[in-house]
Amino acid sequence: DSGVTQTPKHLITATGQRVTLRCSPRSGDLSVYWYQQSLDQGLQFLIQYYNGEERAKGNILERFSAQQFPDLHSELNLSSLELGDSALYFCASSQGQGPSGNTIYFGEGSWLTVV
Amino acid sequence: QQQVKQSPQSLIVQKGGISIINCAYENTAFDYFPWYQQFPGKGPALLIAIRPDVSEKKEGRFTISFNKSAKQFSLHIMDSQPGDSATYFCAASYSTGMRFGAGTRLTVKP
Repeated sequence: DSGVTQTPKHLITATGQRVTLRCSPRSGDLSVYWYQQSLDQGLQFLIQYYNGEERAKGNILERFSAQQFPDLHSELNLSSLELGDSALYFCASSQGQGPSGNTIYFGEGSWLTVV
Repeated sequence: QQQVKQSPQSLIVQKGGISIINCAYENTAFDYFPWYQQFPGKGPALLIAIRPDVSEKKEGRFTISFNKSAKQFSLHIMDSQPGDSATYFCAASYSTGMRFGAGTRLTVKP
């Protein structure tokens, strides 16, 4: 158990809909990262927050947004969903501001299926 | 644009053999190179990591070899066991980002 908690574990929704994925980082970790894992794209970095502030942005679509709350939990919002958004979404956390030199701990992921 | 290239895509090794997975990167800003192990239904978990000022790091049966001039690094799994069967990801990170290779599915046959 990495200590990173993600909910829901599985989600099935229709195209055009909006969903919210939730992540609770490990106790004491200030950074939260979101990754998308699909069969053809591997692990794609979406976005990172550090202590409530956006720190780095990767390949995150404009239809997606995220935030980190004062209690350090984070939410990833996916809207206007398309079939191609079906993937495993991972949240990860680390103590430091960035991944360099810091162990990043991954949750078990949220499976999103768009039908 | 794939910043970290990983090969092979899949690997089958006999129990007791050596598994070797290779990665190459382009961005010289990367300064930390971890390897992650992922079992089905689980998130990736850090296996071993190295900084570019070190050419080799060994932890148990797992060894990272790093060639800074060639911008390549590899994972060696000695005495591979069926329990090592998983997907392995190399990664490269810098201050504000970590990029993963495409992954290698390792199968160790008993």
